[in-house]
Amino acid sequence: SAVISQKPSRDICQRGTSLTIQCQVDSQVTMMFWYRQQPGQSLTLIATANQGSEATYESGFVIDKFPISRPNLTFSTLTVSNMSPEDSSIYLCSVVEFESSTDTQYFGPGTRLTVL
Amino acid sequence: KQEVTQIPAALSVPEGENLVLNCSFTDSAIYNLQWFRQDPGKGLTSLLLIQSSQREQTSGRLNASLDKSSGRSTLYIAASQPGDSATYLCAVFDSWGKLQFGAGTQVVVTP
Repeated sequence: SAVISQKPSRDICQRGTSLTIQCQVDSQVTMMFWYRQQPGQSLTLIATANQGSEATYESGFVIDKFPISRPNLTFSTLTVSNMSPEDSSIYLCSVVEFESSTDTQYFGPGTRLTVL
Repeated sequence: KQEVTQIPAALSVPEGENLVLNCSFTDSAIYNLQWFRQDPGKGLTSLLLIQSSQREQTSGRLNASLDKSSGRSTLYIAASQPGDSATYLCAVFDSWGKLQFGAGTQVVVTP
């Protein structure tokens, strides 16, 4: 299974600033995703990070607020721009690996963001 | 739009009891269903994945069943231990690799 790391693991930021979260995978993967988990809630998909092209965003999420880069098949970044306290969440990246004749999704450890 | 529901929202059992966690989904046209465990403030650990053509998967004390026609999956954890205390998330996988998550069941196993 893929081993995924994220940086930073946590951060406390001021309102109006931006934070870039990094996701590194130990193998080349085609599909990478970014999720958000707000306090006490389940996970919501933000976008699919596509290598070599723009990310595909889910309803309610826009590129200006959450710009994503995917420069190669092992790395992606998510930026949370112009932050407000409502952006306080855990942000997780995930990848899909094809194994045992099917696709399985694995998650990084998450980045816990607190916006003051 | 796919909706995933997990019941109960929270569960507390004494050590040694079996756990039964339920997951239902509205659209039976799923690719896979995956169960995850999440410890407080941490990421997700994949527990079991059931392909749409399968009816169950087992790993150690864990067994997950899938009834696609009725839109249900159940996760059984036998002989629960305090270390099983966590939030358990059910997620339905579509053919594009996107997961739709349930809200989770928070489990506490008391010694």
